[in-house]
Amino acid sequence: QVQLVQSGAEVKKPGASVKVSCKASGFRFTSYFMHWVRQVPGQGLEWVGMINPSAGTVTYAQTFQGRVTMTRDTSTSTLYVQLSGLRSDDTALYFCARGGWGGAYPFDYWGQGTLVTVSS
Amino acid sequence: EIVLTQSPGTLSLSPGERATLSCRASQSVDSRYLGWYQHKPGQAPRLLIYGASSRAAGIPDRFSGGGSGTDFTLTISRLEPEDFAVYYCQQYGDSPPYNFGQGTKLEIK
Repeated sequence: QVQLVQSGAEVKKPGASVKVSCKASGFRFTSYFMHWVRQVPGQGLEWVGMINPSAGTVTYAQTFQGRVTMTRDTSTSTLYVQLSGLRSDDTALYFCARGGWGGAYPFDYWGQGTLVTVSS
Repeated sequence: EIVLTQSPGTLSLSPGERATLSCRASQSVDSRYLGWYQHKPGQAPRLLIYGASSRAAGIPDRFSGGGSGTDFTLTISRLEPEDFAVYYCQQYGDSPPYNFGQGTKLEIK
């Protein structure tokens, strides 16, 4: 069965970087675009960006341009999202989610979420 | 960039009642690329509806979606206790960003 298992909670200081992982199983990793979505406490879902695991190409939401880096390791079917220059308003639950091949597909499977807390 | 506005922000209903949630887009959305998700605290979001009206695998038939252009709805015909959650619409067309609406909280009255 399809599973997306994310890394554990992180606590970081302002200005630091964080890297969250998402290990995929139960499907062909390189056949589905993968997305990252976050939820700031008390707010809604926000699309962060996506990666084509086959080519490694990425598209980021403009809000995160310059601060976010998405990568993948095809040998372990693992995705990574790194956010730098952390601020208190980056405190959020970060989810990975499976799309389809390219855009134009809903997000049908999600990871369990990783809480990133930014605090001095 | 397409902005999705959901209404109402909070909907208070009782089990057994009918719920109608609205999602309005700032410009026309191809109905093939409009989805609805259910999100409960501490859980991953769950895909309910894709293509505006198609139920995802395993979703009960009390959930239905409709609409076109700029106006879409999610209807829950008879609320069950487990349906109380936050619901989001999302457009996932050919070009990103794949924005979500701000959510509708469905709470027990």
